[in-house]
Amino acid sequence: DAGVIQSPRHEVTEMGQEVTLRCKPISGHDYLFWYRQTMMRGLELLIYFNNNVPIDDSGMPEDRFSAKMPNASFSSLKIQPSEPRDSAVYFCASSFNRVETQYFGPGTRLLVL
Amino acid sequence: AQTVTQSQPEMSVQEAETVTLSCTYDTSESDYYLFWYKQPPSRQMILVIRQEAYKQQNATENRFSVNFQKAAKSFSLKISDSQLGDAAMYFCAYRSNTNAGKSTFGDGTTLTVKP
Repeated sequence: DAGVIQSPRHEVTEMGQEVTLRCKPISGHDYLFWYRQTMMRGLELLIYFNNNVPIDDSGMPEDRFSAKMPNASFSSLKIQPSEPRDSAVYFCASSFNRVETQYFGPGTRLLVL
Repeated sequence: AQTVTQSQPEMSVQEAETVTLSCTYDTSESDYYLFWYKQPPSRQMILVIRQEAYKQQNATENRFSVNFQKAAKSFSLKISDSQLGDAAMYFCAYRSNTNAGKSTFGDGTTLTVKP
């Protein structure tokens, strides 16, 4: 398997623009997680899905952030409008069930100017 | 809510020596899993080792082993024969089997390996 795939790997955008991050989990995994990592706040869980259904979105910072998982092989995280404080590395991870190892994608480095 | 604490923001070790990274957690649950992840400068998160809370035996993966003390809620990582490639940030993580699979990560420990 190719592992968790994220795109784009790098994104530079201007404040106010819409940003969409994409993730393809490992085939057969039924949990998908979105994390954000910054120097100030460390690794934060934003939202996670089980069988394409959002289970806990309490980590989503505000209404500007939204996430979808329309099918088992794709998820997206959208920021609209983006702000400089959204600059971070965003990771997607998936796991086979609720206790197995989470496998992380390579991350998307987002810079909002 | 579960919390994970890594009290050592930074650690250093001489190449070929042994180092132990500490991790404590707080939970009222009895069924959970613990992980150590490594994040090298590439930023890729890599699983190092995994421990099931119901198992008394400490997990071991080559040069990496854990000291799991369930009563004390402690989960330390020992790296033996440290290598330059071990230099990275290490994260301790807790995953609940009773809270729909939610995970909690510590703040990380940056490990430097000196040649």
